[in-house]
Amino acid sequence: KNEVEQSPQNLTAQEGEFITINCSYSVGISALHWLQQHPGGGIVSLFMLSSGKKKHGRLIATINIQEKHSSLHITASHPRDSAVYICAVRYSGGGADGLTFGKGTHLIIQP
Amino acid sequence: DAGITQSPRHKVTETGTPVTLRCHQTENHRYMYWYRQDPGHGLRLIHYSYGVKDTDKGEVSDGYSVSRSKTEDFLLTLESATSSQTSVYFCAISSGNRGLSSWEQYFGPGTRLTVT
Repeated sequence: KNEVEQSPQNLTAQEGEFITINCSYSVGISALHWLQQHPGGGIVSLFMLSSGKKKHGRLIATINIQEKHSSLHITASHPRDSAVYICAVRYSGGGADGLTFGKGTHLIIQP
Repeated sequence: DAGITQSPRHKVTETGTPVTLRCHQTENHRYMYWYRQDPGHGLRLIHYSYGVKDTDKGEVSDGYSVSRSKTEDFLLTLESATSSQTSVYFCAISSGNRGLSSWEQYFGPGTRLTVT
């Protein structure tokens, strides 16, 4: 069974700090997703990646396939970045199958 | 935003009653998924569909059934609701029609179900 582990579970930081959230998984995957969920809100896809690095605004996602590890970085963090960030993977060859999720990282950015 | 709606958005029901949740999409995507989200467990796959009348079980399918008679609708039924099925239910879709990017999943707003 593919396990997805995220760290830290909870993170509180000051506005402007550089944030890193980590995700590790145990078996081969075809893609890794980073999702964002605001309190009481829906789930939004931030990134889907299978190799290398992607950047969108202040968010950067990287993946190392050999080490089975991904990181999500937030530069110049802002209180509106406060949310739960969820890592999810798709098994290799499992096109139609759903995702397997980490338990999420609860991020609070204080002004 | 992908056109995905869920109904109802909130429901309170009693143990033993049947409940049906509906997911409706306007994107004509082939793949649809039902997940539940619980504290301490995160999101878990209940059932998924890879086409009209084509469905399969996920990680936590016991106590749930699904149906997909039209591309746009995916129904999740709790035949006899139990308190352990109190959760937030999310529907998601993906097209899966070409390349890796087509497997991106778009989520509905969620349904909060309470079984008393």
